[in-house]
Amino acid sequence: QKEVEQDPGPLSVPEGAIVSLNCTYSNSAFQYFMWYRQYSRKGPELLMYTYSSGNKEDGRFTAQVDKSSKYISLFIRDSQPSDSATYLCATGGSQGNLIFGKGTKLSVKP
Amino acid sequence: GAVVSQHPSRVICKSGTSVKIECRSLDFQATTMFWYRQFPKKSLMLMATSNEGSKATYEQGVEKDKFLINHASLTLSTLTVTSAHPEDSSFYICSAARDRAYEQYFGPGTRLTVT
Repeated sequence: QKEVEQDPGPLSVPEGAIVSLNCTYSNSAFQYFMWYRQYSRKGPELLMYTYSSGNKEDGRFTAQVDKSSKYISLFIRDSQPSDSATYLCATGGSQGNLIFGKGTKLSVKP
Repeated sequence: GAVVSQHPSRVICKSGTSVKIECRSLDFQATTMFWYRQFPKKSLMLMATSNEGSKATYEQGVEKDKFLINHASLTLSTLTVTSAHPEDSSFYICSAARDRAYEQYFGPGTRLTVT
């Protein structure tokens, strides 16, 4: 069983739509949950992270963790063409041993 | 803040040669640096974790004699792929963390092609 599952997409939405990106994970010991954005042929950019369960909001982005179902989500409000990228979820412990999902490719059409 | 650079961005080498990739944290001191490998349409895979002045910790299945990691200072880590083979061709990405190892900032990556 893979440790972090993420639908690779591609996901195509019109500009202004609300985007929902999701991952599931298997290791209940994971405490940190990250979301990265990666443009083609570039390194991942840290968007936000949460510790344990709950929500975290940063501008148009909201990260949500449900540890009971081992489900993590990223919501993007008022999506823009510049949000088009691959979004990677990752989970791990305090030592930094992050396990990544494969990434979901998002395309926001003007 | 939290800018990480990598050099070179792209390298082509012949089978059997060695290649060194540098990772630098430009505006902060990184207590921990990480090296990842990413194959097309695959997850980022952690190869090793290094702390300044200490030996790197390698993930299971990663050959430490093939992938030499040196973390000489709080702003520089190097990965040397020794005796490279075509199957080592991949996208190698480093990340650096200040005081929280899970809060990692990634470099732009190095595309290695072994012919």
